[in-house]
Amino acid sequence: EIVLTQSPGILSLSPGERATLSCRASQSISSSFLAWYQQKPRQAPRLLIYGTSNRATGIPDRFSGSGSGTDFTLTINRLEPEDFAVYHCQQYASSFLTFGGGTKVEIK
Amino acid sequence: QEQLQESGPGLVKPSQTLSLTCTVSGGSISSDAYYWSWIRQHPGKGLEWIGYIDYSGSAYYNPSLRSRVTISVDTSKNQFSLKLRSVTAADTAVYFCARAPGTFDIWGQGTMVTVSS
Repeated sequence: EIVLTQSPGILSLSPGERATLSCRASQSISSSFLAWYQQKPRQAPRLLIYGTSNRATGIPDRFSGSGSGTDFTLTINRLEPEDFAVYHCQQYASSFLTFGGGTKVEIK
Repeated sequence: QEQLQESGPGLVKPSQTLSLTCTVSGGSISSDAYYWSWIRQHPGKGLEWIGYIDYSGSAYYNPSLRSRVTISVDTSKNQFSLKLRSVTAADTAVYFCARAPGTFDIWGQGTMVTVSS
């Protein structure tokens, strides 16, 4: 099982600031197989990023992903009010799919 | 635009079987491009992949749940289903169905299932 550890657990920021979220894997995974999702309260997650750095359809360019090996990052430039949510990373490098525990981005 | 919708009981008694169905609309479940998945989220927690199935019926499960889970597909109804046996309070969660070409690109809205007597 590939364990994904997200940090920090909670990120308190103001609108307009930059958010940097981390996802660390317990073993090296191909950058082709790391995704990020956004989840708002009482909603299903929404795919943001796939293949580490590719934005899904309709995702604004203030969202960007990077990383390789075991360390991956989601960056949100210039936080908008609608960006305050929980973010999950997910790996699909192995047939046993796993998610990180999530990072909550809250308004400071 | 393809859409997924979960349906099933919101309350299940301990030791019984949780049964949910996901109906796919606006697209065909028979596409060989996708896996049809179940994911759950315990209250206030992260996401847990339960398993997925392809149109031919080949299924893959989370090893921690494999002994209790069956996912099946009904192409005639454009549906796929989840059965989780011998449930306990620890199975109380929101259950999502989702389409997976690796990532989960389309999700149902989710359905809350509570295990309680």
